Amino acid sequence: EAQVTQNPRYLITVTGKKLTVTCSQNMNHEYMSWYRQDPGLGLRQIYYSMNVEVTDKGDVPEGYKVSRKEKRNFPLILESPSPNQTSLYFCASSSGQGRNTIYFGEGSWLTVV
Amino acid sequence: GQQVMQIPQYQHVQEGEDFTTYCNSSTTLSNIQWYKQRPGGHPVFLIQLVKSGEVKKQKRLTFQFGEAKKNSSLHITATQTTDVGTYFCAGFNAGGTSYGKLTFGQGTILTVHP
Repeated sequence: EAQVTQNPRYLITVTGKKLTVTCSQNMNHEYMSWYRQDPGLGLRQIYYSMNVEVTDKGDVPEGYKVSRKEKRNFPLILESPSPNQTSLYFCASSSGQGRNTIYFGEGSWLTVV
Repeated sequence: GQQVMQIPQYQHVQEGEDFTTYCNSSTTLSNIQWYKQRPGGHPVFLIQLVKSGEVKKQKRLTFQFGEAKKNSSLHITATQTTDVGTYFCAGFNAGGTSYGKLTFGQGTILTVHP
């Protein structure tokens, strides 16, 4: 079954405590990306990766890091989380440099207090 | 940077009425995608349009891509309660840089009264 798996699904953390949200896909997709969803703002792309070792900024990259060491994994790193990073985060993957069906993970609810 | 505006933000309809959401980009798009997100769920890909003036249909859903590849619409005929959710458009910029940057509209929240 085609899947994009994110962990954790829910997390409450404190300001400044580094955290990583993992993302893994089992479809051998080259393209992976991260989004945050906030009320009234829709989905905003944080980072994307066209392939292994190739990453680039989306519209809201500040405060986030990513890495793409393997094709299937694309973790999102918050080095020093702040309350304005409280949000719902989605990972997604696709073949065809994103120009095919994009599959989203179930989402990760992150609260920073 | 590229902006994608989507209207309306909310739409309440009676079951059986039609529904349309519109999407406008500040830049020319290489393609446009449409997604549906049910309450509490994740976005689910509906369709992708690539050609100027393209029209595609999926049962009661009709998708259009404008001639200038800067606007798009989704029309649902005779809505049903199962159509409830948020509909998003999203597009890749037609320019050469930031090839993988995907910009979403703010979404239209559709509620259907039985």
